[in-house]
Amino acid sequence: DQQVKQNSPSLSVQEGRISILNCDYTNSMFDYFLWYKKYPAEGPTFLISISSIKDKNEDGRFTVFLNKSAKHLSLHIVPSQPGDSAVYFCAASARGGSNYKLTFGKGTLLTVNP
Amino acid sequence: SQTIHQWPATLVQPVGSPLSLECTVEGTSNPNLYWYRQAAGRGLQLLFYSVGIGQISSEVPQNLSASRPQDRQFILSSKKLLLSDSGFYLCAWSVTRKSSGNTIYFGEGSWLTVV
Repeated sequence: DQQVKQNSPSLSVQEGRISILNCDYTNSMFDYFLWYKKYPAEGPTFLISISSIKDKNEDGRFTVFLNKSAKHLSLHIVPSQPGDSAVYFCAASARGGSNYKLTFGKGTLLTVNP
Repeated sequence: SQTIHQWPATLVQPVGSPLSLECTVEGTSNPNLYWYRQAAGRGLQLLFYSVGIGQISSEVPQNLSASRPQDRQFILSSKKLLLSDSGFYLCAWSVTRKSSGNTIYFGEGSWLTVV
């Protein structure tokens, strides 16, 4: 049972354009969502997060949008840069006794072409 | 600031040999500690987590075990490795905050190839 889904295994974007990475979840108890960036042979790096009380959070070139009714979130990168090329993981956690655990999607490989 | 280190970074082990991966966290007290694995072409799978010394929870039945002998030390072990244990292993930490979500921070990762 995959509770966090990233249905696009890969995405290719031109430098300077917008990258939109999507994530869907099924568990209505999830109330905290995160995006991580991962280069090959390195640990994931935390990028940005959003609480379920918000529908948007922005940090520089990165913006995360949350649509609770659709159980969908997205990460926007504007403008995209070649150094953004990496695998992006969506993750979610639920408040309560197990809120120290994150459930991850399988990741989306973003390639930003010069 | 908090830092996390895990070692070794890379190892090649024969089938049936033992395994020990170590992880330490600095700059924080009583962290939650995690071992994740990323198998080829797959996402991040939680193997073990620990909310305190000696407290280990296993998420997936497997050939591996974990121990937390000290507050900021987490060890992943196996007595006899299988070929299917090959993968990229990640140690991670977090601090539980009741008022907000739980952000997990990862180490550099360890590549294990079982031959």
